[in-house]
Amino acid sequence: SAVISQKPSRDICQRGTSLTIQCQVDSQVTMMFWYRQQPGQSLTLIATANQGSEATYESGFVIDKFPISRPNLTFSTLTVSNMSPEDSSIYLCSVMGRMNTEAFFGQGTRLTVV
Amino acid sequence: DAKTTQPPSMDCAEGRAANLPCNHSTISGNEYVYWYRQIHSQGPQYIIHGLKNNETNEMASLIITEDRKSSTLILPHATLRDTAVYYCIVRVAAGGGSNYKLTFGKGTLLTVNP
Repeated sequence: SAVISQKPSRDICQRGTSLTIQCQVDSQVTMMFWYRQQPGQSLTLIATANQGSEATYESGFVIDKFPISRPNLTFSTLTVSNMSPEDSSIYLCSVMGRMNTEAFFGQGTRLTVV
Repeated sequence: DAKTTQPPSMDCAEGRAANLPCNHSTISGNEYVYWYRQIHSQGPQYIIHGLKNNETNEMASLIITEDRKSSTLILPHATLRDTAVYYCIVRVAAGGGSNYKLTFGKGTLLTVNP
């Protein structure tokens, strides 16, 4: 299994500002993902964080709004830029295990934009 | 992407078996079925996965029909702590090689009653 630490666990931010969320894994992993879970909704995949190259974004998500870094095989960041109240969600980091057979999730970052 | 259909909610009595159905009629031959659950305010937790054969682990059993168009997750002796949203997911390829991603549907809210 993989242990995932996300920081911060929660934050309240002013609209128009940006927040960077960190995801640290206790082992090297090939695939890292970022999800968003809006209140009362299921998880939506934002992007796949690729080590050494640009992230691969899902439909409806763009790099200018959600820039992602992946400097090595154990760490990634997601920035939520120019925030609005609609960005209030839980943001989750996920990694694929060594054999690509199961995904592990962090506990999420609960973001409230006021 | 292969879609899944699940009932929005189910109830189960404590100590009884919980049988959660999932339809995935557009699944491709090499796509796996995964089950995750999310207990309130926590990140999703892996339960089990399978391709063709029935699978069992310490948490649950997975029954996949012969035509692979549907599956059932069985929690043999449900407890109050099994109350959660259960997600049935078809794992699809993401890019080349052995990369995959998980796309979550709406899931089933299982409520285990005393």
